[in-house]
Amino acid sequence: GENVEQHPSTLSVQEGDSAVIKCTYSDSASNYFPWYKQELGKRPQLIIDIRSNVGEKKDQRIAVTLNKTAKHFSLHITETQPEDSAVYFCAALPGGGSYIPTFGRGTSLIVHP
Amino acid sequence: DAGVTQSPTHLIKTRGQQVTLRCSPKSGHDTVSWYQQALGQGPQFIFQYYEEEERQRGNFPDRFSGHQFPNYSSELNVNALLLGDSALYLCASSTNRGSNEKLFFGSGTQLSVL
Repeated sequence: GENVEQHPSTLSVQEGDSAVIKCTYSDSASNYFPWYKQELGKRPQLIIDIRSNVGEKKDQRIAVTLNKTAKHFSLHITETQPEDSAVYFCAALPGGGSYIPTFGRGTSLIVHP
Repeated sequence: DAGVTQSPTHLIKTRGQQVTLRCSPKSGHDTVSWYQQALGQGPQFIFQYYEEEERQRGNFPDRFSGHQFPNYSSELNVNALLLGDSALYLCASSTNRGSNEKLFFGSGTQLSVL
């Protein structure tokens, strides 16, 4: 089955800095890569996603890049703010008609004011 | 428009007991997935229900079972609870139409097994 590795497990930055979280996946047939943000005590929420036919997608301060050859994708957050502090999960949806994404273990992002 | 709702929010049980968790999907969604999230881990897929049947199942023992009702709501049942079943149980709904990969999560049920 699909295996998703996520790094780093913890990321601490100063307000205004950029943050990058990286994930690798094992199944070359995976075709959909969402990112979820989970604030403390709250539900995971989809913040951005990318499909395998696109190399990059941007939405205001967040962007996701995908390298299919290397089987890795990254989340980029620019001009970080304290409210960006949360746990971020990447996921990969394998091909073959499965609708079940495999999640990474999460990155705890801490933005210091 | 109500999102995904789960009940109860918190639950305390003892080893060997049985528990039932409930989930109502987002309006317009017909598919419900259940996840177990241990502290400091990503969500682990338990199973998915569509058209009142279990469509896919993750690597969880038969003690974990579920059900989906005609109104698309769902239940997760866990029998013979173990200490290791303590976790946040998340329900996620999606639609089998169009962009069906997008999951909408509920706030979860925090289960503690003593």
